[in-house]
Amino acid sequence: SNVLTQPPSVSVDPGQTAKIACGGNNVGSEDVYWYQQKLGQAPVLVVYDDTDRPPGIPERFSGSKSGNTATLTIRGVEVGDEADYFCQVWESQTDHGIFGGGTKLTVL
Amino acid sequence: QVQLVQSGAEMKQPGSSVRVSCKTSGGSFTSYTFSWVRQAPGQGLEWMGRIIPVINKMYYAQKFQGRVKFTADRSTSTVYMEMTTLKSDDTAVYYCALAYNMGFSPWGQGTRVTVSS
Repeated sequence: SNVLTQPPSVSVDPGQTAKIACGGNNVGSEDVYWYQQKLGQAPVLVVYDDTDRPPGIPERFSGSKSGNTATLTIRGVEVGDEADYFCQVWESQTDHGIFGGGTKLTVL
Repeated sequence: QVQLVQSGAEMKQPGSSVRVSCKTSGGSFTSYTFSWVRQAPGQGLEWMGRIIPVINKMYYAQKFQGRVKFTADRSTSTVYMEMTTLKSDDTAVYYCALAYNMGFSPWGQGTRVTVSS
């Protein structure tokens, strides 16, 4: 199966913009999903179908995609955004869910 | 607003089996597809497979074929994940989650399974 690659960590100051990348051969052809997982909690979907936000997710969270790289952008980062972020695609070839390795966002 | 509530933490011996439950409240159980995802300590998320109760179909990631079984009880709106022949590297938090398009939302709160002698 294909692999989704994320940077292990990203650090930003409060109020700045954080960008988390997710790369893989199937990113360009499959919808990308992003999850936020705070320490000791279950993951929460923050972006679906590359760019859409589920109800209740702040507009500060947005998704984009170019070629085989998807990006989660968090504008006006808050201390409460500190978490692990995972990307995910549904690999149609194998009919399996695939997750990236996760990125730890640190708010300085 | 549908919620998923999972069973409590389990401590198991190597070679034994474990069954984790995931009960749905709210919504229409028979319209859902459930996935199971696990997370080893300090590690990422690993998709294990899915169950579609309305057609009683189960799909398993190759890694778990033959050792994991998903079942559903429509009368209690509950799905189950049973894993046999447990090993120490099965120590993880196990989550159930509903299909949201081709993603997952919402998630259960997770069930910690510890395999140790």
